[in-house]
Amino acid sequence: NAGVTQTPKFQVLKTGQSMTLQCAQDMNHEYMSWYRQDPGMGLRLIHYSVGAGITDQGEVPNGYNVSRSTTEDFPLRLLSAAPSQTSVYFCASSKLLQGEAFFGQGTRLTVV
Amino acid sequence: GENVEQHPSTLSVQEGDSAVIKCTYSDSASNYFPWYKQELGKRPQLIIDIRSNVGEKKDQRIAVTLNKTAKHFSLHITETQPEDSAVYFCAAVAGAAGNKLTFGGGTRVLVKP
Repeated sequence: NAGVTQTPKFQVLKTGQSMTLQCAQDMNHEYMSWYRQDPGMGLRLIHYSVGAGITDQGEVPNGYNVSRSTTEDFPLRLLSAAPSQTSVYFCASSKLLQGEAFFGQGTRLTVV
Repeated sequence: GENVEQHPSTLSVQEGDSAVIKCTYSDSASNYFPWYKQELGKRPQLIIDIRSNVGEKKDQRIAVTLNKTAKHFSLHITETQPEDSAVYFCAAVAGAAGNKLTFGGGTRVLVKP
């Protein structure tokens, strides 16, 4: 049982480049979400999904896109990377919103 | 939307002492309050949670209390051990906002042996 798998683990981008952070879960969870973690600022919600085909914005959605074509996968796309997007990104899934969220191992992204 | 504030941002305690972390939330419709622990370089993991119909919940050395009227909840760790050193996050699910889990800013706890 792999849980929540994120790839890549580390990534360096140049300003203006685009990329996709991958997130997959094998627990058949309906709820999936993306957070960014910056020093001293906790975990801030970027986008979330309550099921396949349904996504919505979180607290800091600008510069990011998501889609949910299957229950298992929830990729996060950076459209045009900026230094302000340097952060650690976590994907999470849960069976119920009011239940335990399982996090991926995180992606450390640096934009230069 | 929901706003969760967490205090203190850092907490240093002597091994064996107790640690208390406090959080306040803004949305009176919030009904689920989990606590996550994040060790250095690791992912956050749930350690305890409480629902709005319960005032207190305990699990061995950790306990959480909820005051719905005042809109605050607290994490209590007793008999702290070095392995309790980590960053702790409180969170709330805003019932009125529907489907969002909002985190506090985190508390870095250091247990000194």
